Amino acid sequence: EVQLVESGGGLVKPGGSLRLSCAASGFTFSSYSMNWVRQAPGKGLEWVSSISSSSSYIYYADSVKGRFTISRDNAKNSLYLQMNSLRAEDTAVYYCARVRGGYYGELSFDYWGQGTLVTVSS
Amino acid sequence: SHELTQPPSVSVSPGQTARITCSGDALANRYTHWYQQKSGQAPVLVMYKDDERPSGIPERFSGSSSGTTVTLTISGVQAEDEADYYCQSADNSAPYYVFGTGTKVTVL
Repeated sequence: EVQLVESGGGLVKPGGSLRLSCAASGFTFSSYSMNWVRQAPGKGLEWVSSISSSSSYIYYADSVKGRFTISRDNAKNSLYLQMNSLRAEDTAVYYCARVRGGYYGELSFDYWGQGTLVTVSS
Repeated sequence: SHELTQPPSVSVSPGQTARITCSGDALANRYTHWYQQKSGQAPVLVMYKDDERPSGIPERFSGSSSGTTVTLTISGVQAEDEADYYCQSADNSAPYYVFGTGTKVTVL
């Protein structure tokens, strides 16, 4: 059974940092691209960042570029998101999600974790 | 820019048909996927590549595409289908993955 379990969320002051983790199990983690998607309270889904299976390709949404860093450790079946210079507008539930599909035009997210809440407030 | 527009809400009586649209210029030449998100839960993929249903998703969910509009149809709606639904597509340039604005489906 595919499982994705996020951790590391919490309350942080503006300008602070936080590192999110996503532990994967039930599939060959090293074969899949992974993503972070967030959802602000009462709002819709927003893609945050993507990393390919071997970390060769990394992409960020403009809203987090230069502040967030995605990484993975295939030996530990884990995905990470280092978040620096946090702002109030980064407050959201952060989900890790597995990518399915071959070429860009067919990429979707077939499995999601339960999410971890990040609150940025003084 | 790559934007996907959905109606904010759709209301339907049990047993009736709900149709949720997703519109965007970019959809004419790429696939669209759909997610169901029940209150307090993570999203679940209910349709991919316009009209393909993942295993475990009921047959009452179907998808179709016409030009720049994609439609998720729920036939014989059940109370358990009440949720927010999001469309999504991907691109090979920023912003790479885009979600629609979301549609709240209410079962009357």
